[in-house]
Amino acid sequence: RKEVEQDPGPFNVPEGATVAFNCTYSNSASQSFFWYRQDCRKEPKLLMSVYSSGNEDGRFTAQLNRASQYISLLIRDSKLSDSATYLCVVSRGSQGNLIFGKGTKLSVKP
Amino acid sequence: DVKVTQSSRYLVKRTGEKVFLECVQDMDHENMFWYRQDPGLGLRLIYFSYDVKMKEKGDIPEGYSVSREKKERFSLILESASTNQTSMYLCASSPELWGAAYNEQFFGPGTRLTVL
Repeated sequence: RKEVEQDPGPFNVPEGATVAFNCTYSNSASQSFFWYRQDCRKEPKLLMSVYSSGNEDGRFTAQLNRASQYISLLIRDSKLSDSATYLCVVSRGSQGNLIFGKGTKLSVKP
Repeated sequence: DVKVTQSSRYLVKRTGEKVFLECVQDMDHENMFWYRQDPGLGLRLIYFSYDVKMKEKGDIPEGYSVSREKKERFSLILESASTNQTSMYLCASSPELWGAAYNEQFFGPGTRLTVL
């Protein structure tokens, strides 16, 4: 199993749609989880951290399932400006660095 | 706002040249990282540093070295550039780690290096 695995997409959705991305990770000792966003030809930026109890930030909801080693990101009411690549990021065990998934590309169409 | 700057946005070098990529952060972060990003391969960690004069190998250190003489500056060195080192290079910094909690990494704009 790859360290962090994501569906590369692309996900092509109309404005206003709800879209969900999934991510699996292989190291059960990982402690920290994030979603980053990367616009075309730009650097990655933190979208949100993912907490065990799940968390929401506006139209974005992140969930973590430690038993299944699975992370999700839900985007409601998609905007054109949500078009980007979403990177699932996991810490390498309890100590160590971050491992970045290869990303899921989202394209929101008018 | 945290600012991470990289010395060049675009760089073209010839095979065998020694290449220096510079990264500077202005937020007094302890940790600094160098990644490369390639289509289909994602971000891969080359080297990182948790303190001045300290360096650790990442996942793909071969062909690279680093230098951190000052807290705010982290340099990536390609001793003898090769065509397979053509890539986007991204520098990042983050504040000190506390236990098992990780802090956000702030990235620079990247340097697109082409080795001919």
